[in-house]
Amino acid sequence: GESVGLHLPTLSVQEGDNSIINCAYSNSASDYFIWYKQESGKGPQFIIDIRSNMDKRQGQRVTVLLNKTVKHLSLQIAATQPGDSAVYFCAESSNAGGTSYGKLTFGQGTILTVHP
Amino acid sequence: SAVISQKPSRDICQRGTSLTIQCQVDSQVTMMFWYRQQPGQSLTLIATANQGSEATYESGFVIDKFPISRPNLTFSTLTVSNMSPEDSSIYLCSVEEGRRSSYEQYFGPGTRLTVT
Repeated sequence: GESVGLHLPTLSVQEGDNSIINCAYSNSASDYFIWYKQESGKGPQFIIDIRSNMDKRQGQRVTVLLNKTVKHLSLQIAATQPGDSAVYFCAESSNAGGTSYGKLTFGQGTILTVHP
Repeated sequence: SAVISQKPSRDICQRGTSLTIQCQVDSQVTMMFWYRQQPGQSLTLIATANQGSEATYESGFVIDKFPISRPNLTFSTLTVSNMSPEDSSIYLCSVEEGRRSSYEQYFGPGTRLTVT
């Protein structure tokens, strides 16, 4: 089936720097995208989402950018902190004319390490 | 957001045996999902569990291997049957909360299964 992938499997930054995590998707029918953070021993934690009718959405210290032309998604984390160290996954979904976006296809994940 | 708990949190099982994983949500939800996360990898959807109907399985997953129950709107179980070492993974349940502008999906903490 179609899949979602990441360009960089690892990212190492200094505390206070901005981080950018990238994701490529291949399913042109996808219209909903989510970023998750997964810390060791825990389930994925919802960070931010974006619908396909938007190209940018901001949250607290995080921004998601969507470029549908090249099927690219990115997560920007401002002023990265050691507590941001985790694995970050992008996920995509399509409701296929229904009402649920619950069936998610996940990317491979990027390990973010923040050095104090 | 929904609070999800899973039991057991981890287990070590012998090959050929079966393990039933429980997922409890603190609110009523229509759709629940079961995912598998193999060591060092991303998440893959196993099946969708709706109350009052049979679970819908994704390609590569079958009911005989992963029977699912959904007796009410707050609870589901996933059984991993006739286990082999290849079944060693983290198994996660998730629920979807639909809102006006987003369909946030939340995950439980996962059940870490090791098959020897």
